Amino acid sequence: QVQLQESGPGLVKPSETLSLTCTVSGGSISTYYWIWIRQPPGKGLEWIGYIYNNGGTSYSPSLKSRITMSLDTSKNQFSLKLNSVTAADTAVYYCARAHPQNTFRGAFDIWGQGTMVTVSS
Amino acid sequence: QSALTQPASVSGSPGQSITISCTGTSSDVGNYNLVSWYQQHPGKAPKLMIYEVSKRPSGVSNRFSGSKSGNTASLTISGLQAEDEAHYYCCSYAGSNTCVFGGGTKLTVL
Repeated sequence: QVQLQESGPGLVKPSETLSLTCTVSGGSISTYYWIWIRQPPGKGLEWIGYIYNNGGTSYSPSLKSRITMSLDTSKNQFSLKLNSVTAADTAVYYCARAHPQNTFRGAFDIWGQGTMVTVSS
Repeated sequence: QSALTQPASVSGSPGQSITISCTGTSSDVGNYNLVSWYQQHPGKAPKLMIYEVSKRPSGVSNRFSGSKSGNTASLTISGLQAEDEAHYYCCSYAGSNTCVFGGGTKLTVL
């Protein structure tokens, strides 16, 4: 059974870089698209972007200039970096797997538990 | 890209059916049969309930069904149960390998 687990600092200072890692267990990171989604406190979900096992990426137009995603197949992990953060980036960050495999069709079938990141000095 | 439009709240009594709408544009919902629906209980990660407009993942109750007409997709829950009380979010493929979520709907089971 595939499981995802986010990890990273829970507190980031304004103007600095938010860095999160998602570890995939119980299955291979190959053949799927891997997703980041966030949810500000009390608000709805926002799609951040994806990375595929060949390193290909697609990012939300509104965040594109500040995002970098990467993949480490040897560790079965993928990562998110969001630079120049402000209080508006405070949210629960989720990693997820796209469904079905080898395609991005806007559906996400397995999610991590989420990790809260607060941007504050 | 603008968020898809969902009603802020809907409610129903146990055993009844309810429908949640998700309105987009001809650039997202109207152009692709790639709408998914998620159920989120408080403090939990979202759960995929419907994908590609009307397909149910393995393990999801057949009380949940999806449809689409024009720029509006819908999620219907029949035989409403107390455990269905949650927030529901739609998501649509929006072209250029991106997608967009709806603002979310809070379902209350009376």
